[in-house]
Amino acid sequence: AQSVAQPEDQVNVAEGNPLTVKCTYSVSGNPYLFWYVQYPNRGLQFLLKYITGDNLVKGSYGFEAEFNKSQTSFHLKKPSALVSDSALYFCAVRDYGNTGKLIFGQGTTLQVKP
Amino acid sequence: EAQVTQNPRYLITVTGKKLTVTCSQNMNHEYMSWYRQDPGLGLRQIYYSMNVEVTDKGDVPEGYKVSRKEKRNFPLILESPSPNQTSLYFCASSSGQGSYSNQPQHFGDGTRLSIL
Repeated sequence: AQSVAQPEDQVNVAEGNPLTVKCTYSVSGNPYLFWYVQYPNRGLQFLLKYITGDNLVKGSYGFEAEFNKSQTSFHLKKPSALVSDSALYFCAVRDYGNTGKLIFGQGTTLQVKP
Repeated sequence: EAQVTQNPRYLITVTGKKLTVTCSQNMNHEYMSWYRQDPGLGLRQIYYSMNVEVTDKGDVPEGYKVSRKEKRNFPLILESPSPNQTSLYFCASSSGQGSYSNQPQHFGDGTRLSIL
């Protein structure tokens, strides 16, 4: 069965420092991977996706993610964190079955302190 | 503005009283889906629809119904709500035919349901 794991419930970083939010996946074929961000009382906002091609994917708000097939990882990164980046982040993989669903990790809360 | 709109945003109700959460998208997307979000469990799919009049069960469909009479609307119906359906619900849509599409899903702002 396909799955996504986000091993950290919370990540704390200081403003201006680089941040990494970790994600590993388990799929039977080539994955379609996504990162979403959720702010309080809001829906999930799409940040970036990996379908194929370049292993470094650039997305919205200065975020990027590195796809590593050998380590089955898709970590979210940003060179310099902002306080406004504090939110809940979800990694997801598209299901290979006919449902079209996204299989989500449990989410990681990012706290950026001034 | 491209968006997915859910109503109501918040609802407190009692066990057994039928309710409907509406979802509408203005992007002409074929695919629509409902998820519920519970602490520690991430988001789980309830129902999905590949297109008008085509719906199917997701991972946690018990106690829910849906319909897709028009492309833009995908209401979620709780015929006899129970306390274990207290949750945060999200509607999502995307272009393409579900698993054959690499397009991201667009989410509504969520509906927080409390069933007493």
